[in-house]
Amino acid sequence: QKEVEQNSGPLSVPEGAIASLNCTYSDRGSQSFFWYRQYSGKSPELIMSIYSNGDKEDGRFTAQLNKASQYVSLLIRDSQPSDSATYLCAVNWKTSYDKVIFGPGTSLSVIP
Amino acid sequence: KAGVTQTPRYLIKTRGQQVTLSCSPISGHRSVSWYQQTPGQGLQFLFEYFSETQRNKGNFPGRFSGRQFSNSRSEMNVSTLELGDSALYLCASSLNTRGERPLHFGNGTRLTVT
Repeated sequence: QKEVEQNSGPLSVPEGAIASLNCTYSDRGSQSFFWYRQYSGKSPELIMSIYSNGDKEDGRFTAQLNKASQYVSLLIRDSQPSDSATYLCAVNWKTSYDKVIFGPGTSLSVIP
Repeated sequence: KAGVTQTPRYLIKTRGQQVTLSCSPISGHRSVSWYQQTPGQGLQFLFEYFSETQRNKGNFPGRFSGRQFSNSRSEMNVSTLELGDSALYLCASSLNTRGERPLHFGNGTRLTVT
């Protein structure tokens, strides 16, 4: 099993729809989780962090964490063409001195 | 506040050569992590430095090495370059190494090995 897995893309949604991005991880002891957005040719930028079970909302973005299921997701409401990017899930790997491990990313395309 | 600065932005080297990449973290950040990004493998963790000590290392051969200086600036070295080392090398800094610590990335160094 890979350390951090994400739903395979590419994911296409129409403008204004909800985009749902999923991530699972294998380190049961991990406590900190992050979503990064990476535009083509650019470096990753942090959009959300979540540390407690439940939902965390920031504008059009909602991160959801379920540590028991080792699952974290990102919902993007009212998707805009400018949201078209690759979304990377990252986990602070507790069993390895907190190194941050990234998933393979999910490519999102928002169609006008 | 200045962001993470990586130099150079682009490098072209030939097989067998060695290369050194530089990273200056955000002021006050003491942790520097290095990642290799390729289309096929995604973002792969290379190593992390904190207070001049390597805290973590990924699954890369010994040709990949790094160090951190007392001002938290870090360098990464790759010796005996191979074609497969062509990639985007990203440096990221954070305040510390524990828990709730988002990474802040530089613009990367694009290395091409011919």
